[in-house]
Amino acid sequence: DQQVKQNSPSLSVQEGRISILNCDYTNSMFDYFLWYKKYPAEGPTFLISISSIKDKNEDGRFTVFLNKSAKHLSLHIVPSQPGDSAVYFCAAGKSSGDKLTFGTGTRLAVRP
Amino acid sequence: DAGITQSPRHKVTETGTPVTLRCHQTENHRYMYWYRQDPGHGLRLIHYSYGVKDTDKGEVSDGYSVSRSKTEDFLLTLESATSSQTSVYFCASRRGRSYEQYFGPGTRLTVT
Repeated sequence: DQQVKQNSPSLSVQEGRISILNCDYTNSMFDYFLWYKKYPAEGPTFLISISSIKDKNEDGRFTVFLNKSAKHLSLHIVPSQPGDSAVYFCAAGKSSGDKLTFGTGTRLAVRP
Repeated sequence: DAGITQSPRHKVTETGTPVTLRCHQTENHRYMYWYRQDPGHGLRLIHYSYGVKDTDKGEVSDGYSVSRSKTEDFLLTLESATSSQTSVYFCASRRGRSYEQYFGPGTRLTVT
């Protein structure tokens, strides 16, 4: 039962263009969402989060959008840079709980 | 970022042997987590701790046990390792008031 899904295992984008990574969830009890970035041979690092009371959160080149009715969130990276090449995981949690549920990840490749 | 270390970073062991992985954090975080990462599955929660001596199961806890005798240390034990437990294991920690988890660098475990 995959409650958090990242249906695109990989994405390739030209440097300077926008990268859009998508994530869907099925559990309507999730009320906060996070994105993590992971480089090879390193642990995931926190990137950006959003609460269900918002529909957008921005931090520099990174923006997360939340569409609660569609149970969908997306991460926009503008402009994309080669250093953004990594695996991106979305995660969801309940403010009443202690755990996160992660998606399977999307590998982003930014071409110079 | 939280100061989280994992040891060992790499381990090869034989089927049937016991294995203990250690996670150490210096941030006095209340919560600690053990995940495994496998291709096609993303990050899956094995066990977590919400305080010293307080632990609970995650979604893939069979074959694993944990212990937390001090705030800074969280141990993951495979009582009798199997080849299906070959994976990369990540530890994470979290303050009580925020949702972000901070990850260690990972332990690559190979069971032959």
